[in-house]
Amino acid sequence: EVQLLDSGGGLVQPGGSLRLSCAASGFTFSNCVMSWVRQAPGKGLEWASIISPSGDTTHYADSVKGRFIISRDNSKNTLYLQMNSLRAEDTAVYYCAKDSSGIPLDYWGQGTLVTVSS
Amino acid sequence: EIVMTQSPATLSVSPGERATLSCRASQSVSSNLAWCQQKPGQAPRLLIYGASTRATGIPARFSGSGSGTEFTLTISSLQSEDFAVYYCLHFNNWPRTFGQGTKLEIK
Repeated sequence: EVQLLDSGGGLVQPGGSLRLSCAASGFTFSNCVMSWVRQAPGKGLEWASIISPSGDTTHYADSVKGRFIISRDNSKNTLYLQMNSLRAEDTAVYYCAKDSSGIPLDYWGQGTLVTVSS
Repeated sequence: EIVMTQSPATLSVSPGERATLSCRASQSVSSNLAWCQQKPGQAPRLLIYGASTRATGIPARFSGSGSGTEFTLTISSLQSEDFAVYYCLHFNNWPRTFGQGTKLEIK
């Protein structure tokens, strides 16, 4: 059974940093493109970032580019999102999700809430 | 960046009836279009990819069509569990972008 377990969310002050994790199991993690998608309270979905299976290619939404870094450790079956210079507008539930051979976002984690507030 | 526009924002339909949701891309995304469903308090779930292919375990009452810039999600006979928010997503290039969502509510 495919499982994606998001963790690392919490309350952080504006300008602060936080690292999210997504622990994967039930599939060959090192073969899959992985993404982070976020959802501000009461709002729609926003795609944030994506990383290739090997980790050598990454892409970001303009809203997070230069502040967030996506990475992965295939030996630990874990995806990460390092979030720096956090702003109030980064407050959201963050979901990790996987692709499968051209099928986007076929499985999602349960999400982890990040709140940026003083 | 490709802008995805969904209509209507809210759709009121009675159980057993057909629902038709629309998604328009600001430029062609070929058939690289997906639909996701989200229920309150839950993570989204993939319904359709490649504009018309149902994801694993998705009932046949869900169907997708379209290519280029105009896409449609049709639910042929609404069940109680289908009332949710639906999002389209393009995966033609970077960045991927979602539509703003259509809330399907019980009439």
